[in-house]
Amino acid sequence: QKEVEQNSGPLSVPEGAIASLNCTYSDRVSQSFFWYRQYSGKSPELIMSIYSNGDKEDGRFTAQLNKASQYVSLLIRDSQPSDSATYLCAVIEIDDYKLSFGAGTTVTVRA
Amino acid sequence: NAGVTQTPKFRILKIGQSMTLQCTQDMNHNYMYWYRQDPGMGLKLIYYSVGAGITDKGEVPNGYNVSRSTTEDFPLRLELAAPSQTSVYFCASSYVSNEQFFGPGTRLTVL
Repeated sequence: QKEVEQNSGPLSVPEGAIASLNCTYSDRVSQSFFWYRQYSGKSPELIMSIYSNGDKEDGRFTAQLNKASQYVSLLIRDSQPSDSATYLCAVIEIDDYKLSFGAGTTVTVRA
Repeated sequence: NAGVTQTPKFRILKIGQSMTLQCTQDMNHNYMYWYRQDPGMGLKLIYYSVGAGITDKGEVPNGYNVSRSTTEDFPLRLELAAPSQTSVYFCASSYVSNEQFFGPGTRLTVL
């Protein structure tokens, strides 16, 4: 099972600031990368997927992937109190069926 | 579409009892998964299935069994419940093997 590590958190940011979440993974064959958001007591919800090096933007979220450095990040711009949640990084190898999840980073946005 | 549904939402078991956690999806997804999530931890894969009649072990299969007789249903069976199985259990499904959609979860306590 590949290792997926996330910055330990918790991460506290003021409303309107940028929250930066980091994720590293242990092997070079991982091909697809995902960010899930999980509110307390709820199930994970897919918010971003990224498959190639570079940046991918979706609204206030930007995912950044660097396969050479085995690193994927998530930026949340203009953070809102509703962004307060745990963010899970997940990776999968090509032709594999199994996601490997990090332990998650808890983000709290201060009003 | 109801998406992925799980029953029950909560359950308390005594040590040594058995139970089945139900999972149903109405999205005609081939891939289905069972995870457990312990407090402050990421998701650990218990079992997965790539189609009706096909199941395989994940990272933490001991103490569990699954079956997949239809595309829609993927029940998880706990035999001889132990306190170490106290956790939140999530079922997930996907059309392709990466973008997974999660059910609401079952919170299980074994006393």
